[in-house]
Amino acid sequence: DIQMTQSPSSLSASVGDRVTITCRASQDISIHLAWFQQKPGKAPKSLIYSASSLQSGVPSKFSGSGSGTDFTLTISGLQPEDFATYYCQQYNSYPVTFGGGTKVEIK
Amino acid sequence: EVQLVESGGDLVQPGGSLRLSCAASGFTFSDLYMDWVRQAPGKGLEWVGRSRNKVNRYTTEYAASVKGRFTISRDDSKNSLYLQMNSLKTEDTAVYYCARSTPKDSRHYMDVWGKGTTVTVSS
Repeated sequence: DIQMTQSPSSLSASVGDRVTITCRASQDISIHLAWFQQKPGKAPKSLIYSASSLQSGVPSKFSGSGSGTDFTLTISGLQPEDFATYYCQQYNSYPVTFGGGTKVEIK
Repeated sequence: EVQLVESGGDLVQPGGSLRLSCAASGFTFSDLYMDWVRQAPGKGLEWVGRSRNKVNRYTTEYAASVKGRFTISRDDSKNSLYLQMNSLKTEDTAVYYCARSTPKDSRHYMDVWGKGTTVTVSS
């Protein structure tokens, strides 16, 4: 199975900050990587697919990059509604696997 | 509006069975792959399995943790996805989400999620 390692597992940031979350795959997954946002008690929401493509309706302050084994999610101009947990997911091969999550908290 | 609504979650004893449903609307259900994903209390997301579409003969894939105990099926005439869960264990306690998977670059990514249904396995 492909292991997805996210870092950091949590971070504290202020409104207006730019934050970057990294995700590393244990083997080459090309660009078959997605990012999701999840708020407490809510379902995950798709943000990014194909490593860097923005899901329809998602604001452009979210951006993704990377290919192969190393990927990043960047959030520019952090707003109160962005405080949540973020997950990466590889869908290159079965089983589909998720990273452990990164909790973005208010400083 | 594209929508997925899960139902069927309940409290069940270890060793018991449960069937979850996911009702889809707002898109051509029969064209797409569908997934089940779960989240144990306070934990991360875990993929459970996938149903391919009719073109791909409704074949399925499962996580090792549920293979042989869980079965995914679908009824395109009812725009519904199902998860039959047998031999349930306490570690199957979770919120279960269904998700639509859209094709892109020869793979399928999850773009729409339901709100989830809660399964509790306890004596």
